[in-house]
Amino acid sequence: EVRLVESGGVVVQPGGSLRLSCAASGFTFDDYAMHWVRQAPGKGLQWVSLISWDGGTTYYADSVKGRFTISRDNSKNSLYLEMNSLRPEDTALYYCAKDSLTGGSHSGYFDTWGQGTLVSVSS
Amino acid sequence: DIVMTQSPDSLAVSLGERATINCRSSQSVLYSSNNQNYLAWYQHKPGQPPKLLIYWASSRESGVPDRFSGSGSGTDFTLTISSLQAEDVAVYYCQQYYSTPYTFGQGTKLEIK
Repeated sequence: EVRLVESGGVVVQPGGSLRLSCAASGFTFDDYAMHWVRQAPGKGLQWVSLISWDGGTTYYADSVKGRFTISRDNSKNSLYLEMNSLRPEDTALYYCAKDSLTGGSHSGYFDTWGQGTLVSVSS
Repeated sequence: DIVMTQSPDSLAVSLGERATINCRSSQSVLYSSNNQNYLAWYQHKPGQPPKLLIYWASSRESGVPDRFSGSGSGTDFTLTISSLQAEDVAVYYCQQYYSTPYTFGQGTKLEIK
């Protein structure tokens, strides 16, 4: 069974930092690009970031560019999101999501999602 | 950025009736080199992660009931549920993956009338 389990979400003060993790199982992790997608309370879905299968290519939403860093450790089947200079508007449920396409590329749509981890930025 | 706009924002349909959700993109998501529309639909129920229903605008994900179908091309797309079941109550999102930043519609809340 394909499974994604996020962790690391906590309450943090504005300006603070946080690292989210996503543990993957049930598939060949290093065959797939991975994404982070978030949902603010009462709002819709927002794509945050993409990392290629080998970590060599990354993309970010403008709202997080320069503050967030996506990374992966294929030896640990794990995806990460380093979040710095956090703002109240970063408060959201953060989902780890698997790209649908194997073979060294990415499609940009998500065939498996984790349950999410909640980040709250508040003083 | 490509802006995705769904209509309506909410919809109430009787059990067994057809539900139709529309999605419009601010620019075409049809890639001419492969004639594919880079458009997906997701179902999101409270307390659960989103679930992929449709990709390439009209391809049904494995395990998704065939009452769910997607159509459209270019900038205008539709998700149709042919006969609404109680378990279909959810928020539905369209998403373009033609270019980064990948963007979602604002969501359509589907309820039972």
